[in-house]
Amino acid sequence: AQSVTQLDSQVPVFEEAPVELRCNYSSSVSVYLFWYVQYPNQGLQLLLKYLSGSTLVESINGFEAEFNKSQTSFHLRKPSVHISDTAEYFCAVTLTGGGNKLTFGTGTQLKVEL
Amino acid sequence: EPEVTQTPSHQVTQMGQEVILRCVPISNHLYFYWYRQILGQKVEFLVSFYNNEISEKSEIFDDQFSVERPDGSNFTLKIRSTKLEDSAMYFCASSDRSRTGELFFGEGSRLTVL
Repeated sequence: AQSVTQLDSQVPVFEEAPVELRCNYSSSVSVYLFWYVQYPNQGLQLLLKYLSGSTLVESINGFEAEFNKSQTSFHLRKPSVHISDTAEYFCAVTLTGGGNKLTFGTGTQLKVEL
Repeated sequence: EPEVTQTPSHQVTQMGQEVILRCVPISNHLYFYWYRQILGQKVEFLVSFYNNEISEKSEIFDDQFSVERPDGSNFTLKIRSTKLEDSAMYFCASSDRSRTGELFFGEGSRLTVL
């Protein structure tokens, strides 16, 4: 069975600083990878995804993640964060042939401070 | 922008009572899901539903749980006899695709079992 590890439960960072949220996965078969974001009092929203092709994927609000197969990682990065990026970020995987059954990590709370 | 809506946002119930959580998926979506998140734990898959039947369910989704699409718009999760450990945030999600992990989540229904 596949699993997702997000080692950092909380990441505090100052506004305009860079940030990296780490995600590692384990699976014996190929997977699709995702980052979902949950803003306070809202549902989960898809931030970005890796299905195939270029290993570097980007979101519309400046986040990017790189699929590294050898390290089984899919770390999320942003070169300069904003207060509005404060949220909980969840890494998730699903098997490429397995429908939409997502396996989530425990989440990382990103807190951006002035 | 179309969204998934869930009601109630918060429900408090006594142990042993039946609870129905309701969801209105995005109108042209065909694939429906329930996930849950116990406080401080991972978001976990419960069940997927397509073409008026369950596609897949997790080991959590035992006989006390059931899902239904009673009409063309609602998708419900029923817990027949609630237990303390059913206390969690329940997320409904929908998708127009079967296997790329792009789910649209509702804001969640918080269930508290006393």
